[in-house]
Amino acid sequence: AQTVTQSQPEMSVQEAETVTLSCTYDTSESDYYLFWYKQPPSRQMILVIRQEAYKQQNATENRFSVNFQKAAKSFSLKISDSQLGDAAMYFCAYRRWGNKLVFGAGTILRVKS
Amino acid sequence: NAGVTQTPKFQVLKTGQSMTLQCAQDMNHNSMYWYRQDPGMGLRLIYYSASEGTTDKGEVPNGYNVSRLNKREFSLRLESAAPSQTSVYFCASSEGGTGGTAFLFGSGTRLTVV
Repeated sequence: AQTVTQSQPEMSVQEAETVTLSCTYDTSESDYYLFWYKQPPSRQMILVIRQEAYKQQNATENRFSVNFQKAAKSFSLKISDSQLGDAAMYFCAYRRWGNKLVFGAGTILRVKS
Repeated sequence: NAGVTQTPKFQVLKTGQSMTLQCAQDMNHNSMYWYRQDPGMGLRLIYYSASEGTTDKGEVPNGYNVSRLNKREFSLRLESAAPSQTSVYFCASSEGGTGGTAFLFGSGTRLTVV
């Protein structure tokens, strides 16, 4: 069974600074996908970024980027120039081809002004 | 607006009561899912439907039943609610079969069982 671990229950960052959220996963597969989802207080689940395991290049979406280390089974999310609107719960998730999405426990990100 | 619609948004039940959570998507997605979210545990899969006419158990199916009514609709039923089922429930859909496509989520149902 695949497992996803987020070891940081809470993180804080100063506005305009950079923060990195950690995620590790366990799988025996070689072809899979990884995602970061954001859940603000509105409860809506919002896709932040995705990474395909067979691509070595790290995915980037504006201020959000990942550090994907396939051998180490690590998938961290870096948020640059943090904004107040980035405050939310962040979930790391794993999906194998055609299979369901498995989530980590989440990391609460607080942004200080 | 296109997406996944869940009803109701909030519900309070007494222990032993039954209810059905409704979910509909207008993305023409093949696969639909029900998750529950509990503090410190992330989202856990209850049931899913890979395609119309099929349903399968997820990680935490006990106490729940599902029906894939048609391609658009996937309902979750609690036959005899228990306090342990107090949670936030999310419905999601995806194209299915293509691992890289993102799941699209509904806005959630906060259920309290007293």
